[in-house]
Amino acid sequence: DVVMTQTPLSLSVTPGQPASISCKSSQSLLHSDGKTYLYWYLQRPGQPPQLLIYEVSKRLSGVPDRFSGSGSGTDFTLKISRVEAEDAGLYYCMQSIQFPRIFGQGTKLEIK
Amino acid sequence: EVQLLESGGGLVQPGGSLRLSCAASGFTFSSSDMNWVRQVPGRGLEWVSDINPAGGNIFYADSVKGRFTISRDNSKNTLYLQMNSLRVEDTAVYYCAKDLTGWGCFDYWGQGTLVTVSS
Repeated sequence: DVVMTQTPLSLSVTPGQPASISCKSSQSLLHSDGKTYLYWYLQRPGQPPQLLIYEVSKRLSGVPDRFSGSGSGTDFTLKISRVEAEDAGLYYCMQSIQFPRIFGQGTKLEIK
Repeated sequence: EVQLLESGGGLVQPGGSLRLSCAASGFTFSSSDMNWVRQVPGRGLEWVSDINPAGGNIFYADSVKGRFTISRDNSKNTLYLQMNSLRVEDTAVYYCAKDLTGWGCFDYWGQGTLVTVSS
């Protein structure tokens, strides 16, 4: 199975400041179809997860443009350009190049 | 508006069975790949199972293989998860999720239903 490793596991950010989360996979997530199957989800407290980014860098419709995803192969990053209070929660990366789908451990973002 | 409404959770003894349902509306259910994802309270997300639109391609996590069965009734716009031989470690909130592309792009999630396995 693919192993997904997120760092850091927690971070505390002042509103208006940037934040960055790293996600590394044990295998390349680049498929032969040319797509890279890496996703980012946010789970706010008491809520189900919501999709933010799919295929590394594509924002789901309605996701603020302060969220951006980048990376390739096995190394990926989610960046928030200017953190807002509503961004607090747990962030998960997930791979879907193969079954089983595997989530990272989660990164808790706290707003100072 | 897309809605996914899980039901069927509850308290069950180890070794028991439970069937979860996920009623879908607001999209073409019969064309959508569907999944179950679970979360132990206070812990991370664990993918459980995937079923393609026709129900012919099914995948499971090793932790539930042979005990859980995913199925769907496209005439009723409903996804199911039959859970047998339940273990304490199956205790979790179970979410159903719609997959936009069939490649793990879970664009809509239900609110979840809590399954507690305890004696």
